[in-house]
Formats: sequence, structure tokens, C-alpha cells
Amino acid sequence: AQRVTQPEKLLSVFKGAPVELKCNYSYSGSPELFWYVQYSRQRLQLLLRHISRESIKGFTADLNKGETSFHLKKPFAQEEDSAMYYCALRIQGAQKLVFGQGTRLTINP
Amino acid sequence: EADIYQTPRYLVIGTGKKITLECSQTMGHDKMYWYQQDPGMELHLIHYSYGVNSTEKGDLSSESTVSRIRTEHFPLTLESARPSHTSQYLCASSETGGLSYNEQFFGPGTRLTVL
Repeated sequence: AQRVTQPEKLLSVFKGAPVELKCNYSYSGSPELFWYVQYSRQRLQLLLRHISRESIKGFTADLNKGETSFHLKKPFAQEEDSAMYYCALRIQGAQKLVFGQGTRLTINP
Repeated sequence: EADIYQTPRYLVIGTGKKITLECSQTMGHDKMYWYQQDPGMELHLIHYSYGVNSTEKGDLSSESTVSRIRTEHFPLTLESARPSHTSQYLCASSETGGLSYNEQFFGPGTRLTVL
């Protein structure tokens, strides 16, 4: 069965430090992966997707099929990055998304 | 303005009551989804629809039902609410093709408490 694992429920780093949110997936087909973010009192929204290979708000994520990972990284964390982050997998040929448990990121001043 | 609306935002109701959670979108999207999310946990897909008169059950078994009579409207109904239904319910939509292909847009959610 398809599964997305985010091993850290809570992650706390200092402002200016690098941050990495881990995401591993289990899927036998060709995956399409996303990172969604939910800031305090805001809706869940798309942060980035692997097929775009883009950097959004300084965040990047690279799909590693060998390690079945899609870790989210930012070299210098900012206080406004504090939020809940969800990794999600779209199954090939379907519109459904499978979400991980989420990681609450806190950036300390 | 293109958006996804959910009402009510908060609902506290007694056991055995029938409830309908409303979801409407003015995004022009053909696909819509309902997710259930307990605090601090992942989102679980409970229902989805690829268009009018098309509904499917999601990965998490749910006693709720949905309908899709109009493209923009995707209500979720619980015939007899129970405390185990207490959760947050998120509605989302997406379009086929286009620049936002496969991106799901989420509503603000309905937080349901069944006493």
C-alpha cells in the first residue's frame, strides 16, 4: 500500500540555521510528490511539487527515488517559516493524495 | 473571487443528530475532495468526486455520504452523528489540466464536535 512517512512530528531550529524536514514514501509506481504548508490560522496550501523543480520561499526538495525520499530543505530558516508541513504523494493515474502525518516546524529567534 | 467555502466553520452537536457540512467552490474546478483530520495527524481522504454525479469513497472508511449534483457544490452528510465523528473536515478541489494541474486547493475546514 502507498504510504508517506514524516518521522519528525516536531522540529525546532534557530533562525538562520539550516532546516530539513524529512519525508519518505512507499510506492511501487512513478511517484509525484508535493509539500503542503499550513501557517497559523491559514488554510493548507501547496508549497512546492517535485516536477516543478522550483524554489519557493527559499525551500527546495529533491526527489530521490533510490532512497524513496523527498526531503524539504532551506539553508537559512526564518521566523515566518514556522508552520505545519505535510508531504503528500499522488498515485500515478489518480487525483488522490496520500498525506504524511505532518511536521510542526518552529523557528526560534 | 475564486475560492473554496466551507460552512459551518465550527459545529457542536448532540449524538444522533443529522448534519450536513457544506462545501462550495468558485474555482471552476471539476474535482472535489473531502478529508478528515484529527488534531496533529495526517489528512485522510474519505470521499472524492471527479465531476457531476460522480462520487467515490476514499481510503478511510467513513459513515458519511456525499453528493455532487452541481459542479460547484459537494456537501457531506452524517445521518446520525456520534462522538467518534468528532474531527476536522477539509474540503478541497482541483482541476484537470491547466497550470495548477494536480494541485489541490483547500477550504478553511469545519471543526465538528459531537457530544
